[in-house]
Amino acid sequence: AQSVTQLDSQVPVFEEAPVELRCNYSSSVSVYLFWYVQYPNQGLQLLLKYLSGSTLVKSINGFEAEFNKSQTSFHLRKPSVHISDTAEYFCAVKRNTGFQKLVFGTGTRLLVSP
Amino acid sequence: EAGVAQSPRYKIIEKRQSVAFWCNPISGHATLYWYQQILGQGPKLLIQFQNNGVVDDSQLPKDRFSAERLKGVDSTLKIQPAKLEDSAVYLCASSPSIAGGRAYNEQFFGPGTRLTVL
Repeated sequence: AQSVTQLDSQVPVFEEAPVELRCNYSSSVSVYLFWYVQYPNQGLQLLLKYLSGSTLVKSINGFEAEFNKSQTSFHLRKPSVHISDTAEYFCAVKRNTGFQKLVFGTGTRLLVSP
Repeated sequence: EAGVAQSPRYKIIEKRQSVAFWCNPISGHATLYWYQQILGQGPKLLIQFQNNGVVDDSQLPKDRFSAERLKGVDSTLKIQPAKLEDSAVYLCASSPSIAGGRAYNEQFFGPGTRLTVL
C-alpha cells in the first residue's frame, strides 16, 4: 500500500518570499505523484504531476516540484509567493500499474501575509 | 465545459438522522469517485464507480453508507443513520475512464458538500 506524509500542517510566509512544502511518500512499487490545491470553499484542483521523464515538473503559476526517488520525496517549491497562493496543498500518490487509487497526505495550509 | 456539480453545498443534521448527497460528473466521464475529507485530514476514497458498476468500495462503511449510480451518470451517496464522526466534506470527482495499466486519467473534483452532524 502507498502512504504520504506531509510533515507541515501550516506554513506561514510573507508575500514575495520563497516557500517549500514538504512531501514524502512510501510505496513498494513505482508510483505517480501529484500536488493538488484547495482554495477556500472550493474543490481540489490539480497543480502539477509527475508521471515519468524529467524529475522536475512545473505548473503554470510558478510552482515546481522535484521527484527524488532515493529520498522518496516530492517537495513543492515557489521562489516568490503571492497573497493569492493562500490555500491548502495536498500531496498525493497512486501506483502506476493496475487499477489506481489516489492516496492523499493530510495537507499543508499555506498562509501568505503582506 | 461544466465541472462536477454537487448538492447541497452544506447540510446540518442531528445524529441518527439520514442524509443524501448528489453528484453530477462532467459529461462523458465514465468514472466517478466519492471521497470523505475529515477536518485536518486528506481526502479518503469511499467508493469508485466505472459507469454504473462498483470498482472499489473497500473503505465504505457499508453498515451506514450506501451509494448508487444507476444510469451510469449522476450518483447519490447516503448515510443512514449518521454519527458524529461522519462530520466531513464529501467530495465527488470524475475522470474520463478508469486508468488501467500505466495509463493516467486526471480526476476533476466538485466543490464538495460540508456535512455537520450534531
